[in-house]
Amino acid sequence: GAGVSQSPRYKVAKRGQDVALRCDPISGHVSLFWYQQALGQGPEFLTYFQNEAQLDKSGLPSDRFFAERPEGSVSTLKIQRTQQEDSAVYLCASSLGWGQGLQTQYFGPGTRLLVL
Amino acid sequence: AQTVTQSQPEMSVQEAETVTLSCTYDTSESDYYLFWYKQPPSRQMILVIRQEAYKQQNATENRFSVNFQKAAKSFSLKISDSQLGDAAMYFCAYRRGFDYKLSFGAGTTVTVRA
Repeated sequence: GAGVSQSPRYKVAKRGQDVALRCDPISGHVSLFWYQQALGQGPEFLTYFQNEAQLDKSGLPSDRFFAERPEGSVSTLKIQRTQQEDSAVYLCASSLGWGQGLQTQYFGPGTRLLVL
Repeated sequence: AQTVTQSQPEMSVQEAETVTLSCTYDTSESDYYLFWYKQPPSRQMILVIRQEAYKQQNATENRFSVNFQKAAKSFSLKISDSQLGDAAMYFCAYRRGFDYKLSFGAGTTVTVRA
């Protein structure tokens, strides 16, 4: 595709609800990243996929957060039993692959999650 | 852990003038990359410019240029001939050589006065 797309763009959830956020990376991009951006802050790394393999999930804040990329393209970030502190913009990024010159990350527009 | 510091929460510039955004970082690595990303109100983060630590020459992309001072661990962004479309949040980011994680600063909001 032309760029990274994310859906929904906005999500309002009641505390305790489960939510699923979708990311469509640029076609052919091997690497996929999720970041969390709190209001007025820079993005913080959550997790990283290389194809379908989740190689790093060290940034996930709790076991309520789960990410998958089963076929190595589309990825879903799921948050179970949402809490107010989960309110943030969730950014997805993809990059072509690995090695010099291939690692520029291209970002999607983000999903703004508000937990009431 | 690497930290990236942007000490200017907000900057204002007159259209056609020049503005410089500061960024400092802390690392013990010798191989790393530095980036400036622009995030307009629509929130799509766009790469503005990147600098490889092993390159002494400062990167330039049209009206955007950096002043990379490796010893001082400083990486400032200069926007020349500012345009209304330059108004956005600008993030400085760091990545170790063959790592994949980006570490971002807190950002600087740039407003452009007509």
